[in-house]
Amino acid sequence: NAGVTQTPKFQVLKTGQSMTLQCAQDMNHNSMYWYRQDPGMGLRLIYYSASEGTTDKGEVPNGYNVSRLNKREFSLRLESAAPSQTSVYFCASSEETGPGYEQYFGPGTRLTVT
Amino acid sequence: DAKTTQPPSMDCAEGRAANLPCNHSTISGNEYVYWYRQIHSQGPQYIIHGLKNNETNEMASLIITEDRKSSTLILPHATLRDTAVYYCISSYNFNKFYFGSGTKLNVKP
Repeated sequence: NAGVTQTPKFQVLKTGQSMTLQCAQDMNHNSMYWYRQDPGMGLRLIYYSASEGTTDKGEVPNGYNVSRLNKREFSLRLESAAPSQTSVYFCASSEETGPGYEQYFGPGTRLTVT
Repeated sequence: DAKTTQPPSMDCAEGRAANLPCNHSTISGNEYVYWYRQIHSQGPQYIIHGLKNNETNEMASLIITEDRKSSTLILPHATLRDTAVYYCISSYNFNKFYFGSGTKLNVKP
């Protein structure tokens, strides 16, 4: 099992450009998440999808959109990138959002917006 | 969800037990305590979680006080590969999962 995979690993954008970060999991998990991590800080939840066909805002959703394409895939889109979105983005999945489960993380996408 | 408080950094000698404390004094009755770690800039790795009882797995032990207001993660025989940032999180579900700044554990030879 590959677990949680993310593409691309690195990306540099100019202000105003758009891009989509891809995430896929092969553990048949129902729930998926997008986090961002700024230098020296902990992760913050951007959006999550409790199950296929549903998405919801997390702590810091402004400037982002998401799509739960199917049970395996959850993408994050930046429509008009800003320097404040320079960060490392992590995708995660879990069997359920409820208590007592484990959350598995991907290796991250390092995004720089100039 | 409850916020947690952890020391910003700790040192531990290789081969000794590492005891990482966490304060979650406002934890609700249905919230679990989770521990994750992040090595370098990799994705966080799940370690252990518990509700009321002490828990042990192949990686670590989790000791939760009887009033549930604090907990301790124990790595019984720390190695250099355990050098990482350790996050203690109290939450009912992953929809509200606040990582905080964690504890930077430095394992020294």
